[in-house]
Amino acid sequence: GESVGLHLPTLSVQEGDNSIINCAYSNSASDYFIWYKQESGKGPQFIIDIRSNMDKRQGQRVTVLLNKTVKHLSLQIAATQPGDSAVYFCAENPRSGGYQKVTFGTGTKLQVIP
Amino acid sequence: KAGVTQTPRYLIKTRGQQVTLSCSPISGHRSVSWYQQTPGQGLQFLFEYFSETQRNKGNFPGRFSGRQFSNSRSEMNVSTLELGDSALYLCASSLYPEKDRATDTQYFGPGTRLTVL
Repeated sequence: GESVGLHLPTLSVQEGDNSIINCAYSNSASDYFIWYKQESGKGPQFIIDIRSNMDKRQGQRVTVLLNKTVKHLSLQIAATQPGDSAVYFCAENPRSGGYQKVTFGTGTKLQVIP
Repeated sequence: KAGVTQTPRYLIKTRGQQVTLSCSPISGHRSVSWYQQTPGQGLQFLFEYFSETQRNKGNFPGRFSGRQFSNSRSEMNVSTLELGDSALYLCASSLYPEKDRATDTQYFGPGTRLTVL
């Protein structure tokens, strides 16, 4: 399988503070990016997406920023809550060219300190 | 609309046995992908099915196989189980529209937790 590393980066944030989770992607041809949240014992859950023709998209308490120049994606969570504690994955979707598989990042574990 | 469902949710097998996992995609979704997730290796792509055909395959041995039925439901099979096959097996479905395929989003099921003893 693809190597995604043995050590999961961890971000510890105080409850109420803002969180920023970063992701570097590899394929400059990717058209679409998604952030997923995975809580312990559950499957990844869709949070927010962004197309390559945008550099920012906002949802409820979450904002995704896309910097195509350096192939970097970030997820900002405002007023972080204990329920936000989870592992967050970014995914890049190169599907515009055909049957190309989605690629997932390593994941970042977010720990919210009450 | 119901989400992706996977059965069984938990499974315990012994080395050498085989196992079949099932996935029912979101209604109307045509593509089903399978992933293996372990603490050490993270989320690893197994294979993807679309229109009953395997379209993509990850770097897993031939013991791992799958299929998709005409109703888009999918199964994956692991034969001759090894201890290292213990993992959470995730299924994800997507619409795979003919138009705007670039924004096709995968939606995950809760996974099947397989333990090999």
